[in-house]
Amino acid sequence: AQKITQTQPGMFVQEKEAVTLDCTYDTSDPSYGLFWYKQPSSGEMIFLIYQGSYDQQNATEGRYSLNFQKARKSANLVISASQLGDSAMYFCAMREGPGYQKVTFGTGTKLQVIP
Amino acid sequence: GAVVSQHPSRVICKSGTSVKIECRSLDFQATTMFWYRQFPKQSLMLMATSNEGSKATYEQGVEKDKFLINHASLTLSTLTVTSAHPEDSSFYICSALSRDRVDTQYFGPGTRLTVL
Repeated sequence: AQKITQTQPGMFVQEKEAVTLDCTYDTSDPSYGLFWYKQPSSGEMIFLIYQGSYDQQNATEGRYSLNFQKARKSANLVISASQLGDSAMYFCAMREGPGYQKVTFGTGTKLQVIP
Repeated sequence: GAVVSQHPSRVICKSGTSVKIECRSLDFQATTMFWYRQFPKQSLMLMATSNEGSKATYEQGVEKDKFLINHASLTLSTLTVTSAHPEDSSFYICSALSRDRVDTQYFGPGTRLTVL
């Protein structure tokens, strides 16, 4: 079974609009962390946002927010006011297990921002 | 912020040679480092997890004799691809966990390996 599922291989969004990238996860561990990373064409993985399984509030970092619905096991990334520079691959990831050492990445969503 | 470097950023080698990739945490102590492999347009595949001073833990299907990992200090881990073949060509990315902030994984810029 997939640990992290990203069902949108590609997305388009108009510049200045908001976009939601979906991510669902599967774990039996009560303690885990959820992450979103951006990977532009240069290849570097850029950390965007983190949500801990015990966090009561949804994480926010600037234009990024994480819509964490624990019961549904979803951790969608919302990007507000899209910019052309947001065009990239976006990966959802989960860390679980002792020391948070077990890491699983989703298959990614390619986001393209249209002027 | 925390920085992880990788060297080299690109390497081209002949089939049968060995290639060493270095991963350094520049301003923090990394108790754990991860090595990933990424094929074009695919996700990151975890190859192994290494803790300083102990043997690396390899994921299923990853040959430990082919991909040698050494985590000799709290700031340096190396991945050696031994007797490289064209199918080993890939983008290799390391990441590090800070001793002080285990909720954040810092990634290196990646190394593109091409085996001719």
